[in-house]
Amino acid sequence: DTAVSQTPKYLVTQMGNDKSIKCEQNLGHDTMYWYKQDSKKFLKIMFSYNNKELIINETVPNRFSPKSPDKAHLNLHINSLELGDSAVYFCASSQPTSRGFFFGPGTRLTVL
Amino acid sequence: SQQGEEDPQALSIQEGENATMNCSYKTSINNLQWYRQNSGRGLVHLILIRSNEREKHSGRLRVTLDTSKKSSSLLITASRAADTASYFCATDVASGSRLTFGEGTQLTVNP
Repeated sequence: DTAVSQTPKYLVTQMGNDKSIKCEQNLGHDTMYWYKQDSKKFLKIMFSYNNKELIINETVPNRFSPKSPDKAHLNLHINSLELGDSAVYFCASSQPTSRGFFFGPGTRLTVL
Repeated sequence: SQQGEEDPQALSIQEGENATMNCSYKTSINNLQWYRQNSGRGLVHLILIRSNEREKHSGRLRVTLDTSKKSSSLLITASRAADTASYFCATDVASGSRLTFGEGTQLTVNP
């Protein structure tokens, strides 16, 4: 009964490749997010979707494209991967009246 | 600009001692939240304190909020080795819109 799940957990790939990370939440939340955590553990929001609609896009390069087929899923597709994209990517969900955000386990992306 | 800053960056204590972490932020908030992240894992929500609240308790956790100083503290009492983790404060300026995280405090509780 995982609340927010992400796949894959680890992703190792070459520069220039295209990859996707999938996220699903079974909490019935309306809002989903992608956060990036760098090597110093700093967490920065990338995107937010509310009911499949993009509401936050934090000056992320357009090589990153989120896709929300329904409100329970928010996938992240990354084109032309660069070394600097190496990080841990977290999906999260929330409800405006809920008590806090629920985070997925993270996807550790390593670009070689 | 980064919303939250935490201190200390790292804290090492013995089991049974209390641990206090502080967080400062820059803008007005709707609420402030604390999260724990165990090594290699996702973030887990610990406690939320609203802007009109000054103190909140949950088990061994006590959070205070001073909106005039734009600061918050997290106190963990009677710490255990299992409390070893990174702790982050996060501010929400409009309920559920986004969370802006601080830099985190790495807490190590030695058995």
